[in-house]
Amino acid sequence: DIQMTQSPSTLSASVGDRVTITCRASQSINSWLAWYQQKPGKAPKLLIYKASSLESGVPSRFSGSGSGTEFTLTISSLQPDDFATYYCQQYNNYWTFGQGTKVEIK
Amino acid sequence: QVQLQESGPGLVKPSGTLSLTCAVSGGSITGSDWWSWVRQPPGKGLEWIGEVHRSGSTNYNPSLKSRVTIYVDKSNNQFSLKLTSVTAADTAVYYCANTPHNWGQGTLVTASS
Repeated sequence: DIQMTQSPSTLSASVGDRVTITCRASQSINSWLAWYQQKPGKAPKLLIYKASSLESGVPSRFSGSGSGTEFTLTISSLQPDDFATYYCQQYNNYWTFGQGTKVEIK
Repeated sequence: QVQLQESGPGLVKPSGTLSLTCAVSGGSITGSDWWSWVRQPPGKGLEWIGEVHRSGSTNYNPSLKSRVTIYVDKSNNQFSLKLTSVTAADTAVYYCANTPHNWGQGTLVTASS
């Protein structure tokens, strides 16, 4: 099974900050990686697919990079609506999710 | 893309069987290869439960494999989840999905007497 290790688990940041979240796969998943944003009581919302493709309607301040086993989600300038929990997911071999990163107000 | 809607009992007794259905609308269930179930216990992360191919073949999370059955019902354009021997640890929001782009809204199932 492919394990996904996401870091950090919690991140405190201010509006306007550049934020980076990392996800590491236990084996190569090529570029079959997605990033989601989730707010309380809501289903996960897809932000990035195939590691770096921006889902339609998602603001361009969100970007993804990486391939193989190392991936990054970057928010270029954190906005008030971005305080949420973020998950990575591999879909190269079945599905596996990272543990999540909660982005909190500093 | 198709719309997905989960349905089923919101309360299941411990040791009982959890049964959920995901209705596919706006397209055919044969229009996508794989259909998945994912769950999220309150305050915790996402866990993939398993998937069913439109042909009926399945793959399950090894941690749940002994208790899970997922099957497709082409005549009703839906797929379903059964989880046996339920405990409080199975209390979660259950989501159906077919691709990262397309999820249902989720349904809360509580395991309690």
